[in-house]
Amino acid sequence: DIVMTQSPDSLAVSLGERATINCKSSQSVLYSSNNKNYLAWYQQKPGQPPKLLIYWASTRESGVPDRFSGSGSGTDFTLTISSLQAEDVAVYYCQQYYSTLSITFGQGTRLEIK
Amino acid sequence: QVQLVQSGAEVKKPGSSVKVSCKASGGTFSSYAISWVRQAPGQGLEWMGGTIPIFGTAKYAQKFQGRVTITADKSTSTAYMELSSLRSEDTAVYYCARDGSSGPLGYWGQGTLVTVSS
Repeated sequence: DIVMTQSPDSLAVSLGERATINCKSSQSVLYSSNNKNYLAWYQQKPGQPPKLLIYWASTRESGVPDRFSGSGSGTDFTLTISSLQAEDVAVYYCQQYYSTLSITFGQGTRLEIK
Repeated sequence: QVQLVQSGAEVKKPGSSVKVSCKASGGTFSSYAISWVRQAPGQGLEWMGGTIPIFGTAKYAQKFQGRVTITADKSTSTAYMELSSLRSEDTAVYYCARDGSSGPLGYWGQGTLVTVSS
């Protein structure tokens, strides 16, 4: 199984500042035939199911604010929130979906306001 | 608009089984993978397994092999997850989630709390 490791486990950022979360996979999730990274990011707020933010490592889901961006390729990925808003307080998860019906999540990163 | 509605909370005894349902509306049920993901209290997300209804087969995370069964009824657009030999560590919120046209889990059910307690 592909192991996903996020860093840091928790993060406190001031309102309006940049937040950066990293995710590393134990093997590449770049599919050479289509040059796509099978990597997604989710946001989960208390009492709610996760919400898909980013897929193919860098494509924003419809309706997601453009302050959220994803980058990286192969085994190293980053989620960036360019200007933190109060409503962004949540736990963020990366997820690989390289193989059909073989999904793994990172352990999560808790984002708080400093 | 795709919606996934799950069955209600359950309280089970250790050693028993639980079956959670997930009814889909909107969109095409059979063509997209449906996964089950659980979250223990205060913990992260854990993928348990999934199925693509049109193919009729399921795949499971190694941790749950032999203890979980995921099925789908195309006639009612409903997916099911049955977990057996329950223990206290299985106390969690269980989510169903469906792939979107873009790939990963774009649609989620509201979650079902399963409590295992003697």
